[in-house]
Amino acid sequence: AQSVSQHNHHVILSEAASLELGCNYSYGGTVNLFWYVQYPGQHLQLLLKYFSGDPLVKGIKGFEAEFIKSKFSFNLRKPSVQWSDTAEYFCAVTGHGSSNTGKLIFGQGTTLQVKP
Amino acid sequence: NAGVTQTPKFQVLKTGQSMTLQCAQDMNHEYMSWYRQDPGMGLRLIHYSVGAGITDQGEVPNGYNVSRSTTEDFPLRLLSAAPSQTSVYFCASSYGGGPQETQYFGPGTRLLVL
Repeated sequence: AQSVSQHNHHVILSEAASLELGCNYSYGGTVNLFWYVQYPGQHLQLLLKYFSGDPLVKGIKGFEAEFIKSKFSFNLRKPSVQWSDTAEYFCAVTGHGSSNTGKLIFGQGTTLQVKP
Repeated sequence: NAGVTQTPKFQVLKTGQSMTLQCAQDMNHEYMSWYRQDPGMGLRLIHYSVGAGITDQGEVPNGYNVSRSTTEDFPLRLLSAAPSQTSVYFCASSYGGGPQETQYFGPGTRLLVL
């Protein structure tokens, strides 16, 4: 079955701490991978995405993620978090090709709370 | 551009009532989707559309209908609301597959079914 699993449901960090959020997926075939963020009271925004090529993807606001195909993982990282990073983070996957467009499979989400 | 807009922002229904959640986008995107967000379950796909006149079911379609008469609009209909449909509903649109695919999400509709 196609699925996405995010290991951490709730993470609490102090400002300047490093962040790594885990994401593993189960999906047959070539995948597109995404991280979305939902700030309090706002709608989902794309942080970064991977389609092909360099497995280390850089996104907005200093976030990056590494696609490790052998581990079916796409972990999100940030070397130094800020209070403004407090949000809910979602990992998502879809397959290559136009037939999969618009059909994201999301993980359960990770709530990140950054203490000032 | 307004992007993806959704109305209403919040709605309370009684069990058995019907209603339509509106979604519109002004980016001329072919692909549109409806998701529901429930605590601890992330977002789950309800229905999607690859263009005007073409819709298909997602992971959790029961109790919902959709239609796509224009590129811009993709309404979601609850036929007979049930408490299990209490959720936050997000509409999304995207231009196409491949490297261009970025889904743009609306602000959401929070639905409470009593």
